[in-house]
Amino acid sequence: DAKTTQPTSMDCAEGRAANLPCNHSTISGNEYVYWYRQIHSQGPQYIIHGLKNNETNEMASLIITEDRKSSTLILPHATLRDTAVYYCIVRSGGSNYKLTFGKGTLLTVNP
Amino acid sequence: NAGVMQNPRHLVRRRGQEARLRCSPMKGHSHVYWYRQLPEEGLKFMVYLQKENIIDESGMPKERFSAEFPKEGPSILRIQQVVRGDSAAYFCASSQGTERVYGYTFGSGTRLTVV
Repeated sequence: DAKTTQPTSMDCAEGRAANLPCNHSTISGNEYVYWYRQIHSQGPQYIIHGLKNNETNEMASLIITEDRKSSTLILPHATLRDTAVYYCIVRSGGSNYKLTFGKGTLLTVNP
Repeated sequence: NAGVMQNPRHLVRRRGQEARLRCSPMKGHSHVYWYRQLPEEGLKFMVYLQKENIIDESGMPKERFSAEFPKEGPSILRIQQVVRGDSAAYFCASSQGTERVYGYTFGSGTRLTVV
């Protein structure tokens, strides 16, 4: 699986949009971009995933650049409960079951 | 519908003792995965099991660690003769299958402390 690069930490004001970047310049054609988050002392929580089109669900939006070398996770209206470590993971399609977690980005939402 | 249940949440063992970590997957999920998270690190894959079968244990340490997922009951991760370096959070995830359309649901983890 391709390696991802994320900033170590970011801050965001409550109520504002949080934009979390991820670089995955070595991504290959059949690899998907997944985002998970881990709130302190809890297990990882799935947020969203995509291949090349932008995706949106009730939690977040995922913007993938046209060359697919980077992506941005957007939390449109961050709340204090969104404070967590966010992991960007590249995963092959088909039956690749392993998730390779890096160190992620610690997002701190401030009041 | 309960999520992935792991117990105990916290486990303290003395060096040399055995640790048994349990994971009950979500209802309808027959695929179980164990991950380990060392302090200040990301999660690392350990093992993937289906009912009564170990599919991939490439992330498991070669000694002292074993995992099972019997026909009945929870999946068990067993660590024999624990050492201080085994102190970590151990997370279990389950899914209906391995295709990307099947999301993985993680449990809240077991935090093992070896003293």
